[in-house]
Amino acid sequence: QVQLQESGPGLVKPSETLSLTCTVSGASISSYSWTWIRQAPGKKLEWIGYIYYSGSTYYNPSLQSRVTVSVDTSKNQFSLKLSSVTAADTAVYYCARGPGGSHFTLDYWGQGTLVTVSS
Amino acid sequence: DIQMTQSPSSLSASVGDRVTITCRASQSISSYLNWYQQKPGKGPQLLIYGASSLQSGVPSRFSGSGSGTDFTLTISSLQPEDFATYYCLQTYSTPYTFGQGTKLEIK
Repeated sequence: QVQLQESGPGLVKPSETLSLTCTVSGASISSYSWTWIRQAPGKKLEWIGYIYYSGSTYYNPSLQSRVTVSVDTSKNQFSLKLSSVTAADTAVYYCARGPGGSHFTLDYWGQGTLVTVSS
Repeated sequence: DIQMTQSPSSLSASVGDRVTITCRASQSISSYLNWYQQKPGKGPQLLIYGASSLQSGVPSRFSGSGSGTDFTLTISSLQPEDFATYYCLQTYSTPYTFGQGTKLEIK
């Protein structure tokens, strides 16, 4: 059974870097692509970006200058770094497996972690 | 970016009802449309991928249809555990985009 679990600080100061980790069990991190998504209060779900199993990364142009997604195969984890955060980055952050399959599906998601940006 | 417009934003229904939720894309996305169910405090759970393919383990009362720009999620006979929020997601092109969600409530 594939499971994903987000972890990281729940409070980040403005202008600092948000760092989250997603720990994967039940699947090899090196065999799939992995995605980050977020949902700000009262807003739509927003795709942040993904890292392909080859190591290539694809980011939302709206966040591209501030985002880095990376993989640690030794720990079966992948990570998100978002720099220069503001209150607008306050959101529940989700990690997910994919895109994969013939229709680039995100098939398994973590439960999400709330990150608040505040001084 | 491809805009996904989902309707209705909320819906009240009773156990046993047939319910339909729609998602419209701002341009053709072929069949690159996924449907998710989300319950409070949980991550979204995949129900339908490729517009009409049922994810393994999902009850057959859930079905999806459509291609191009117009898509539908149907629940044939609502069960108590189906009251949740539903989202569509297009994976035709990046940036992937979501509908705004439909909150399904008990009447």
